[in-house]
Amino acid sequence: NAGVTQTPKFQVLKTGQSMTLQCAQDMNHEYMSWYRQDPGMGLRLIHYSVGAGITDQGEVPNGYNVSRSTTEDFPLRLLSAAPSQTSVYFCASSLTQGANTEAFFGQGTRLTVV
Amino acid sequence: KQEVTQIPAALSVPEGENLVLNCSFTDSAIYNLQWFRQDPGKGLTSLLLIQSSQREQTSGRLNASLDKSSGRSTLYIAASQPGDSATYLCAVRDPTDSWGKLQFGAGTQVVVTP
Repeated sequence: NAGVTQTPKFQVLKTGQSMTLQCAQDMNHEYMSWYRQDPGMGLRLIHYSVGAGITDQGEVPNGYNVSRSTTEDFPLRLLSAAPSQTSVYFCASSLTQGANTEAFFGQGTRLTVV
Repeated sequence: KQEVTQIPAALSVPEGENLVLNCSFTDSAIYNLQWFRQDPGKGLTSLLLIQSSQREQTSGRLNASLDKSSGRSTLYIAASQPGDSATYLCAVRDPTDSWGKLQFGAGTQVVVTP
C-alpha cells in the first residue's frame, strides 16, 4: 500500500529553471493538494483539486501551475524558479470532504533554488 | 479567517512523563480536527482524526479531545518514550469554502529525554 508518493525527494534548481514535482496516490482519492512548509510559516496551501479536470488556487499560488488529468496524479509545476520558492513541498490526498475525511501526506520534496 | 495556534512551540520532558499538547482554533465551525506527527526531514503521519460531532479519540497511548465551543483540542501521550520525540501538528478542516481545506498550526516540537 504505497499511499501518497512524491518524487523527487530532493532537488536543486538554478534561478529561472522550470521543473515538475510529481505526486501520485493509489487510494482512489478525489481530493489532492499541494502545501509548502517554511520555518515559522507552517504549512500553506498552494493549489488543490477536487477531481480530475478540476483545480483551484490556495493561499500562495503565484509561480506554480497544476493540472489533474487523472485521479491518481497531481503534478506541481514551477514555471521559473526563484530563491523564494526554496521550501519543502508536500502533496496530500483525501477521499471526500466532510467530517470523517482523513488527509494523507507524502514524504515531501526538499527544493533548493540557488 | 480560521487561525490555528499551538502552544508551546517546544517542550522537553523526561521519559515516562505524560505529554499534553494544545491546539486552539478561532472558528468553531469545523468539519474535523486531525493530529499529525512529523519527524525531522520526513513527511506528516496522521495520528488521530476527531470528527466535529466527537469529543475524543483514542489510539494506544494517544488520546485526543475536542471542545468546539471553546475552540480547543488536546493531545495526550501517556508514558512518553524517546521515540515520541518529533514535531506534532494539528489541523482543522474548515467548511467555509467548498472544499474544506486544512488549516495548520505551527506545531509543537517535543523532546523526550531518556
